[in-house]
Amino acid sequence: DAKTTQPTSMDCAEGRAANLPCNHSTISGNEYVYWYRQIHSQGPQYIIHGLKNNETNEMASLIITEDRKSSTLILPHATLRDTAVYYCIVRTGRRALTFGSGTRLQVQP
Amino acid sequence: GAVVSQHPSWVICKSGTSVKIECRSLDFQATTMFWYRQFPKQSLMLMATSNEGSKATYEQGVEKDKFLINHASLTLSTLTVTSAHPEDSSFYICSASSIGLAGEETQYFGPGTRLLVL
Repeated sequence: DAKTTQPTSMDCAEGRAANLPCNHSTISGNEYVYWYRQIHSQGPQYIIHGLKNNETNEMASLIITEDRKSSTLILPHATLRDTAVYYCIVRTGRRALTFGSGTRLQVQP
Repeated sequence: GAVVSQHPSWVICKSGTSVKIECRSLDFQATTMFWYRQFPKQSLMLMATSNEGSKATYEQGVEKDKFLINHASLTLSTLTVTSAHPEDSSFYICSASSIGLAGEETQYFGPGTRLLVL
């Protein structure tokens, strides 16, 4: 699975959009981009995934660049409950997920 | 949809006893489930891959005789920590694989089980 690079931490004001970047320059053609988050003392929560096209669901939007070497997770209206560690994972196949350090998002009131 | 449950959510046991943790996919069938462990301020580390009807595959350094995994049905996998010791105290998390319309596989995680061995 391709390696990903994320900022260590980010702050966001409550009610504003949170844009979390992820670099995956070595991604291959059949690898999907997945986003998960882990709120303190809970199991990871699936957010969204995509291959080439931008994706949106009730939680977030995923913007993937045309060359697929990077992506951005967008939380349109961040709330205090969105404070968590966000993981960008690139993978293919039915294997376990490899969690890096992720981005610690702190939503400020 | 895609809900995974774990039971118990937390457990305290004496050193030397065994503890069983259940992981269930509530609204989908999962041929593959995974067990992870997370120590404080660290990321999740894979312990083993559990396939329905076959033996689990353990990661290097994880003792298969100590961490017994059974995946007897498409909705249930269990992890038994045998002869638990204080160093086994950790946050144990399972995940179950669901296959999407395009054949891609997405893992959904349980809420985790916090184990404290005294």
